[in-house]
Amino acid sequence: GEDVEQSLFLSVREGDSSVINCTYTDSSSTYLYWYKQEPGAGLQLLTYIFSNMDMKQDQRLTVLLNKKDKHLSLRIADTQTGDSAIYFCAETNRDDKIIFGKGTRLHILP
Amino acid sequence: GAGVSQTPSNKVTEKGKYVELRCDPISGHTALYWYRQSLGQGPEFLIYFQGTGAADDSGLPNDRFFAVRPEGSVSTLKIQRTERGDSAVYLCASSLGTDNEQFFGPGTRLTVL
Repeated sequence: GEDVEQSLFLSVREGDSSVINCTYTDSSSTYLYWYKQEPGAGLQLLTYIFSNMDMKQDQRLTVLLNKKDKHLSLRIADTQTGDSAIYFCAETNRDDKIIFGKGTRLHILP
Repeated sequence: GAGVSQTPSNKVTEKGKYVELRCDPISGHTALYWYRQSLGQGPEFLIYFQGTGAADDSGLPNDRFFAVRPEGSVSTLKIQRTERGDSAVYLCASSLGTDNEQFFGPGTRLTVL
């Protein structure tokens, strides 16, 4: 079946890089996404990568995709307190639905 | 412009009652999605509208759940005979089309006592 797995918690010191990892199962996924959810706010699309790419960089964000291993990662450079949130990895399945992971809660240490 | 809005932001009800949750999508967005997010989980797809019609309702858990979008804009998610297990945050999203970015609302937190 379809499944997106990610670790539940990550603690990082302010100024360091954060790396959030994700594995997925549907090899037919066209797009893979990273969403950010802050308390009381809706989900915000941070970035996405098309399945025929292996890397995408957008300012402080770098997405790496290893399609062979079905592994996706999000690196946030120079992590700030405002980056504290839950980050969801997601993929599109064969029916073009978005399947979300359980989310990784990023905690920033001073 | 305004984003996706959802009302109410919080709803507390008793087991067995009927509830309606409303979603106002971004103006001009033809696609509208409902998701359910249980505690500690990611959002799970419920139903998707293209215009006025439900293009895919395969995520609705059972026949107590129903959604409408009569004029192709505002949508209402209706839950009959609520159960404690229905407690969750119900998220709505809209997009210009199925291949476009989905914009999410803040959600309605439903608590069934």
